[in-house]
Amino acid sequence: GESVGLHLPTLSVQEGDNSIINCAYSNSASDYFIWYKQESGKGPQFIIDIRSNMDKRQGQRVTVLLNKTVKHLSLQIAATQPGDSAVYFCAERVQAGTALIFGKGTTLSVSS
Amino acid sequence: DTEVTQTPKHLVMGMTNKKSLKCEQHMGHRAMYWYKQKAKKPPELMFVYSYEKLSINESVPSRFSPECPNSSLLNLHLHALQPEDSALYLCASSLILDRGTLMTQYFGPGTRLTVL
Repeated sequence: GESVGLHLPTLSVQEGDNSIINCAYSNSASDYFIWYKQESGKGPQFIIDIRSNMDKRQGQRVTVLLNKTVKHLSLQIAATQPGDSAVYFCAERVQAGTALIFGKGTTLSVSS
Repeated sequence: DTEVTQTPKHLVMGMTNKKSLKCEQHMGHRAMYWYKQKAKKPPELMFVYSYEKLSINESVPSRFSPECPNSSLLNLHLHALQPEDSALYLCASSLILDRGTLMTQYFGPGTRLTVL
């Protein structure tokens, strides 16, 4: 599957490949992280979340990995489909009473 | 009901107009948010209401005036906007846990605002 080590604004994959989208977050005190998917003309849609006391969490076809040592978050999408084409944002919560801070998005393009 | 709704979907206004954006949720969430999103950029937080009280204002110009009439509704009143205020305005809501912890934010579809 395709993966990126550093944040890149775009990622192009073939249908059926596995995709890995990376995100570097800003604050070592952040305790909660979310991945959102935003399709054209729509609001961000919740995909999966993870707390800072975990390093991996799995959903349906998606897995989030958290590496606190290097402040890195990744989203893995298995068997990527054309419907997965969208902009993906990671978001972190720095303190319990604060709202989310969004990272730069990655545009995923899936070709058939 | 697991949806955040926003009206209108699109809005075009002149710099001297007054308009309002509306947001509604019936998930029992007691935190509601306004974000601004420019093209190809992440959402930027503008305001947060917790228990119908303004708890966070991210230094937003006074030409944007939020209002939370009740726990289900959130408005954003617009007056004397500038063309650079053209953007997608997103509303979100979330649960608040004990000690004020803000949980996962769920977003509406947004209002696409164009200021002429």
